[in-house]
Amino acid sequence: NAGVTQTPKFRILKIGQSMTLQCTQDMNHNYMYWYRQDPGMGLKLIYYSVGAGITDKGEVPNGYNVSRSTTEDFPLRLELAAPSQTSVYFCASSSGLAGGPTDTQYFGPGTRLTVL
Amino acid sequence: AQKITQTQPGMFVQEKEAVTLDCTYDTSDPSYGLFWYKQPSSGEMIFLIYQGSYDQQNATEGRYSLNFQKARKSANLVISASQLGDSAMYFCAMREGYYNQGGKLIFGQGTELSVKP
Repeated sequence: NAGVTQTPKFRILKIGQSMTLQCTQDMNHNYMYWYRQDPGMGLKLIYYSVGAGITDKGEVPNGYNVSRSTTEDFPLRLELAAPSQTSVYFCASSSGLAGGPTDTQYFGPGTRLTVL
Repeated sequence: AQKITQTQPGMFVQEKEAVTLDCTYDTSDPSYGLFWYKQPSSGEMIFLIYQGSYDQQNATEGRYSLNFQKARKSANLVISASQLGDSAMYFCAMREGYYNQGGKLIFGQGTELSVKP
């Protein structure tokens, strides 16, 4: 069972370049999330989605865009990359059932991005 | 504003001993969930344990237990009989409300646990 998969695992971008981080889940989860983790810090929410066609901003959305055309996929787009976007990016998903351990968010392995 | 605080940047524990990792939270919502995740040096986020705000008993999962003190707004993780493989970063996280708010998690800054042989 693959769970949440992310590609690529590593990427180096030059300032001003753009890229898309891919995220796919095979658990039929309605809810999906993108977080970033800066060195020595906890995770901060960038964007989230409660279902196909529905997305909303999190705590740190500037410089990013998302789309959710299917239940399985939730790509994160970086436009005009900046050094401040150097971070580890995690995608996560959850079932959307209220209350209890079934609400657990399951995380992908992360994408380590460096902007030079 | 909702907030999670982990005041211990790093901790050491002797193998086979118990250790407590502190977590305090702040929220005005009566409905919330508290989570602990483990992040080993390989980087993945591993779910450990969950406590709901209305749960009457402290959560337990194997060697992990959560010391939930609602009045103090604390949710400390207790690891019993520490093992070398427990060396990792540990994150406390909170979900405010249920899914009318999108199920978003707020994370603390983490505690790095090192288990000594």
